[in-house]
Amino acid sequence: KQEVTQIPAALSVPEGENLVLNCSFTDSAIYNLQWFRQDPGKGLTSLLLIQSSQREQTSGRLNASLDKSSGRSTLYIAASQPGDSATYLCAVDFTSGTYKYIFGTGTRLKVLA
Amino acid sequence: DTGVSQNPRHKITKRGQNVTFRCDPISEHNRLYWYRQTLGQGPEFLTYFQNEAQLEKSRLLSDRFSAERPKGSFSTLEIQRTEQGDSAMYLCASRKNTEAFFGQGTRLTVV
Repeated sequence: KQEVTQIPAALSVPEGENLVLNCSFTDSAIYNLQWFRQDPGKGLTSLLLIQSSQREQTSGRLNASLDKSSGRSTLYIAASQPGDSATYLCAVDFTSGTYKYIFGTGTRLKVLA
Repeated sequence: DTGVSQNPRHKITKRGQNVTFRCDPISEHNRLYWYRQTLGQGPEFLTYFQNEAQLEKSRLLSDRFSAERPKGSFSTLEIQRTEQGDSAMYLCASRKNTEAFFGQGTRLTVV
């Protein structure tokens, strides 16, 4: 069964700290992986997309890496800010032909001022 | 706004009533997806369209659920005879190539 797991489920850090969110998946045959941010009661905002052939992507203070052989991706957030407080979701498109995502349950991040 | 648009944003309905949600994808995105998200969980796949063809349906999509995309543009998701267990956020996403873009969702509350 294709599954996506995110650890930790919740994280609280002081402002300015660098942090790492983890995503693991059960099948290395993936098409791509996408990280999203979700604010309470809102939809999903795309942060970074990593194609199967790529090892990392960067956008501003965010860096996402992909290691297919170990079934892992990490989202690195540098110099965290209170505005980064949200739930971060990892979504994996396993090579199924329909390009649908399997989501993890997310990491709820709180950055304290 | 050229993003994915969903209407309504919120819907409260009595158990047993029918509800319909609408999704307008990003123009020229040929793939459209519906997901359902319950509190504290990640979104779960419901169904997928490529243009007007519905190519896959999850087992979560019982026979009370139906989705259409009649002209390959907007899509509707209808739930008949709603149950309290249908209370959730219903999310729509569209893709042209690899990156998915999500709407703001429709929050359904069945009372």
